[in-house]
Formats: sequence, structure tokens, C-alpha cells
Amino acid sequence: QVQLQESGPGLVKPSETLSLICTVSNGSISSYFWSWIRQPAGKGLEWIGRIHSSGSSNNNPSLNSRLTMSVDTSKNQFSLRLSSVTAADTAVYYCARDETTWRALENWGQGTLVTVSS
Amino acid sequence: DIQMTQSPSSLSASVGDRVTITCRASQSIGSYLNWYQQKPGKAPKLLIYAASSLQSGVPSRFSGSGSGTDFILTVSSLQPEDFATYYCQQSYTTPRTFGQGTKLEIK
Repeated sequence: QVQLQESGPGLVKPSETLSLICTVSNGSISSYFWSWIRQPAGKGLEWIGRIHSSGSSNNNPSLNSRLTMSVDTSKNQFSLRLSSVTAADTAVYYCARDETTWRALENWGQGTLVTVSS
Repeated sequence: DIQMTQSPSSLSASVGDRVTITCRASQSIGSYLNWYQQKPGKAPKLLIYAASSLQSGVPSRFSGSGSGTDFILTVSSLQPEDFATYYCQQSYTTPRTFGQGTKLEIK
């Protein structure tokens, strides 16, 4: 079973850039789409975007201008950068793998809490 | 964006009960509808994909139905471990969108 693990700073200052990495193990990153999802405390799930192992991506338009995603197939990792963060970006951030046919989020990381505060 | 609306937002039920949760899409999404279960402090877990296909390892008391704009998640006989929050999600188009969640609580 493929496993995913998010990593990155747990605290980011307002106006700075949030950076997270998702490391994929027990499977190859190739030929799949990989997604980012976030969840503010006590609230629902928000899809951030997804990136294919080839580098093509789809972003949530609500974040489009601030969001950058990349993939490093040599390290079996993909990453998220969200610029100009505010307190509204405080959330648990999850990475997940898209199932190929119906595009469900079939495998998830455990999530990492990112707090935006000075 | 496609809006996903779940009902009810919360539900109280007892062990052994049969419960249903409804999800409605703001436009037709075919069968590109998925259901997730989330327990406190944990990542969501895929239960149902393609509206009615049971994810491997998920108990058969969970089932899904529907197509187009209206979908249902059914738990045929609630077990103690089923008390959690449930989300629907459309994977028809981007941006992917989730319902607001249904919290299933013990009565």
C-alpha cells in the first residue's frame, strides 16, 4: 500500500510563503496525479490542487495566483508553495493520490498542521 | 465551481440503525462522486468511489447509490466505529469540491 507523508514548517509568518513536501513510499510517483487538500480546524475539506508526475497541474482558482506545485520524480516527492499567507491559510494540510479512473482520493497522508502567525 | 450540498449536517443514531446521507451536486456529475469517512484527528478515508463502488477493505454495510445530481450513502447497520464525519466529493471536474460534511453521532 502506497504511503504518503507531509513535511514542512509548522509555523509561517503572515505574508511569507508556506512550503510543504509530500514524500511517497511503497510505490512510484510516476503516472499518477497527486493532490493537496486542506482543512481549517473544525471545518470542512478544501481541495487545493493536483499535479501529475509529468508536471502538468490543476489549481483551485481561489488560490491560483498564490499557488505553485512541483514534482521531483527522482526523490518520489511533490511539493506545495503558497505565497502571501494570512491567518486564513491556517489549516491541516493533506497530500493524497488520485485514483486513475474515477479520480477519487484513494490514499492520504496523515496531515500536517500549518499555523500562520507572527 | 460545482457546489456539493449534503444533508443532514448532523445526525444522531444508535448502534444497529440504518442511516442515509444525501449529497446533491449543483450540476450533473455522472457517477464521479466519492464518499469519505473522517474520524477526529485523522485523515479522511475513501469509502465509496464512482458513486457505488466499495473501496477495498471497506465493510459491506456501506453502500452508495445515485447518478447525475443526487447521491446517497447508506450504512445498513451502524457499528460503534462508524460514528464519524462523512464527506461527499465530486471528481467530475476541477476544482474538486466537497460537501460540507455530515457528523454522525451516537444517540
